This record gives sequence, structure tokens and C-alpha cells, in this order.
Amino acid sequence: EVQLVQSGPEVKKPGESLKISCQVSGYTFSRFWIGWVRQRPGKGLEWMGIVYPGDSETRYNSSFQGHVTISADESTNTAHLQWSTLRASDTGIYYCARHQRGADVLSPFDFWGQGTLVTVSS
Amino acid sequence: QSVLTQPPSVSGAPGQRVTFSCTGSSSNIGAGYDVHWYQQVPGTAPKLLIYDYRHRPSGVPDRFSGSKSDTSASLAITGLQAEDEADYYCQSYDSSLNGYVFGGGTKVTVL
Repeated sequence: EVQLVQSGPEVKKPGESLKISCQVSGYTFSRFWIGWVRQRPGKGLEWMGIVYPGDSETRYNSSFQGHVTISADESTNTAHLQWSTLRASDTGIYYCARHQRGADVLSPFDFWGQGTLVTVSS
Repeated sequence: QSVLTQPPSVSGAPGQRVTFSCTGSSSNIGAGYDVHWYQQVPGTAPKLLIYDYRHRPSGVPDRFSGSKSDTSASLAITGLQAEDEADYYCQSYDSSLNGYVFGGGTKVTVL
């Protein structure tokens, strides 16, 4: 059974750093692109970027590039999303999701994590 | 403002048919990139509902169907049920942005 299990909620102050995780099971981690999606409170879904664990190739939404880092650790079957300097506007729920057809980045997200709530407030 | 445009809300009585659109442009839907649809019940993660315009993953009822026309896609729900009350998002790839884009979402209300 494919599962994506995300780390727990976080409360941070502006300017702090943060790394959240998405541990997968039930399939070969290295062979499927994994993406991150943000949902601000009461708002829609925003595609942030993706990583291919097999070679660590990453692709970013230009709106997020330079502000977040997406990575993957094959030794723990875990994808990560990290910030070095959080802003209040980063508050939201962050979902990880797997691309359906492995190396095909045009395939949909077929399995999703449960979401990680990140609250950034002074 | 989203690259893919969806109506903010639609509603229908139980048993009725509702349909709503996802309108894009020549750099996404019009360029031939597939459209996928997700259902999000409040407080839960999105769930893949329709992929590649019209295909349903295993377990999705055939009450849900998707279609495409030029630079837009549509999702139809027939035999509307109370459990269909949720937000629905379309998604496609955009060549000018070099990445995926989501529509703004459509809230379906069952009267």
C-alpha cells in the first residue's frame, strides 16, 4: 500500500528556519517524482516544485525558487521541504504528493500526504 | 489570479447534474497538455478524481466524468450526492511557466 506520511505541525517565528518531511512507503522511492503543494488558509492549491529522488533533479515554481529548497534522501525514503528564512506569508498547509507515472512529470499526483500545517507568527 | 480559471461555486439538488469548466490558454490546455481534476473535502488532503482529461482512478464512481474542448476542460457530476460537497481543482502543465498550475477551485454545494 502506497503511503506518504508527513511530519507534524510547526509553529515558528519570522526569520527562523524550518525543514518538514514526507516519508514514503509501499513503492520504489527513487523511481517517482514527488512534489510539494501549498495551501494558504482559505485559499487554493499552489504547485511549489518537484524532486526526482533517483538523481535529485529538482524543478521549482519561479514564485518559490530561492525561498525554499526541495530535496530527497533515498536512505530514508524521505522528501524534504525547507526554508532558511520564514515569513508570515509562508503560513499554510503543505502537502507532498507522488506523480502517478514515475518519471513522467506530466502525470497527475495520485497519492498525497496528510499535510503539514506551518504557522509563522511573531 | 490563477492561470486556469474556474467558477468559484456551483450548486445543485441531490440527483441533479452539475458541470463546471476550467479555462486555460495556448500555453497549457490549448497546447495539448493533459488536465487532471482533484476533489478536496474540507479538512482533508486533495484526492485525484480524473486524470488525463477523462480517466478515473480505481474507486472513483462513474458519476464523475471529464471532457476537453480547445483551451478548456470540464468536469461533470451526475446524480449529485451529499458526499460530493467539496472543492474541486483542475491542474495542467504550462509551458511558459515551465511547471504545473492549478485552477482557483470550484466549491460544489449540494442544496
